[in-house]
Amino acid sequence: DTGVSQDPRHKITKRGQNVTFRCDPISEHNRLYWYRQTLGQGPEFLTYFQNEAQLEKSRLLSDRFSAERPKGSFSTLEIQRTEQGDSAMYLCASSETGSNQPQHFGDGTRLSIL
Amino acid sequence: EDKVVQSPLSLVVHEGDTVTLNCSYEVTNFRSLLWYKQEKKAPTFLFMLTSSGIEKKSGRLSSILDKKELFSILNITATQTGDSAVYLCATYTQGGSEKLVFGKGMKLTVNP
Repeated sequence: DTGVSQDPRHKITKRGQNVTFRCDPISEHNRLYWYRQTLGQGPEFLTYFQNEAQLEKSRLLSDRFSAERPKGSFSTLEIQRTEQGDSAMYLCASSETGSNQPQHFGDGTRLSIL
Repeated sequence: EDKVVQSPLSLVVHEGDTVTLNCSYEVTNFRSLLWYKQEKKAPTFLFMLTSSGIEKKSGRLSSILDKKELFSILNITATQTGDSAVYLCATYTQGGSEKLVFGKGMKLTVNP
């Protein structure tokens, strides 16, 4: 059983550049979630998918952020025109469908904006 | 706004000590509470609690929920250096949302 996989592990970029992260969920999981975590804080919810449908988005997800899950398997999170405040750990999680399912997290992508 | 508060935010103990981590919540239509352990990378799922008074146990770790007083505790007995981590508490709420609302986490350091 492979867990949730995220790529890249680290990304360093200049302010104003676009970045894209990938998440591969646990294979039998229909739900996929994106969170952002900054130092000393718990993860904050960004968005979630049920199969290919994006069902919920946080108001933290500004119009510079877009997430896709085109075939209901892997997902991408893109940030356009990055800003200093985007520096964070971006965590992906997946779960089975159904009420009260535990979410299983990947190791995250750490984004640093220069 | 939904809120999850953990206390203390950090704790330093010696190996062999017993620790109790607290998590209180103020959420709309509570559904369940989850505990995670985060070392340097991914939060790892520990427990999910949905009913009051029923203890969940795994080895030296145990947890219980009090839905009347709106809190949960996580106990770790006979702590080991490998228990050093950030422990996160999170809740699911009703109403069609599948997001987890997390507390800030509690950093536990176990010294040999």
